[in-house]
Amino acid sequence: QVQLVQSGAEVKKPGASVKVSCKATGYRFTGYNIYWVRQAPGQGLEWMAWINPNSGGTDYAQKFQGRVTVTRDTSITTAYIELNSLRSDDTAVYYCARGDDYYHYMDVWGKGTTVTVSS
Amino acid sequence: DIQMTQSPSSLSASVGDRITITCRASQSINNYLNWYQQKPGEAPKFLIYAASSLQSGVPSRFSGSGSGTHFTLTISSLQPEDFATYYCQQSSFRGSFGQGTKLEIK
Repeated sequence: QVQLVQSGAEVKKPGASVKVSCKATGYRFTGYNIYWVRQAPGQGLEWMAWINPNSGGTDYAQKFQGRVTVTRDTSITTAYIELNSLRSDDTAVYYCARGDDYYHYMDVWGKGTTVTVSS
Repeated sequence: DIQMTQSPSSLSASVGDRITITCRASQSINNYLNWYQQKPGEAPKFLIYAASSLQSGVPSRFSGSGSGTHFTLTISSLQPEDFATYYCQQSSFRGSFGQGTKLEIK
């Protein structure tokens, strides 16, 4: 079945970087975009970025440009998001999701990766 | 970026009720509007795309409408499993979510 399996929880210090992975199984990896969304504790959903695994094309929310990088490795059907210069307000659950390349909806979601930023 | 505003922020209703959630965009997004349901501790679940197209497997009591800047999500007869938080999301330019509507049991 279609699944997105994310890497485990991370605890980082302010100023550090974190890289979260998202392994896709059960479908053709290059046929769908991968999106990244985060949710701070008790807060709503925040759209961050997406990547087209076929072309490698990316786009980022203005808020994250320059601090976030999304990449993929098609040989292992895995996408990544790296967030630099971590701050305490980056503490959140980070989700990857599969999505359509026309309407850009997100139809299959990973279970999320908790990133905690604390000194 | 495009701002999305949902109303109400919270809503109390009973099983069997019909409810409507509204979502407004800060500029026209045509029909690039999606809806998601999220329960505590879970990832969001995809419900509706292109403003009114129901994702496969989603019960027909869910429906969406609208275009341009004004959209609605309607649940025709609430079931116990529908009590959750609902988010709209525009996908016309990058992506942004509404702040969410928490649907609680009255």
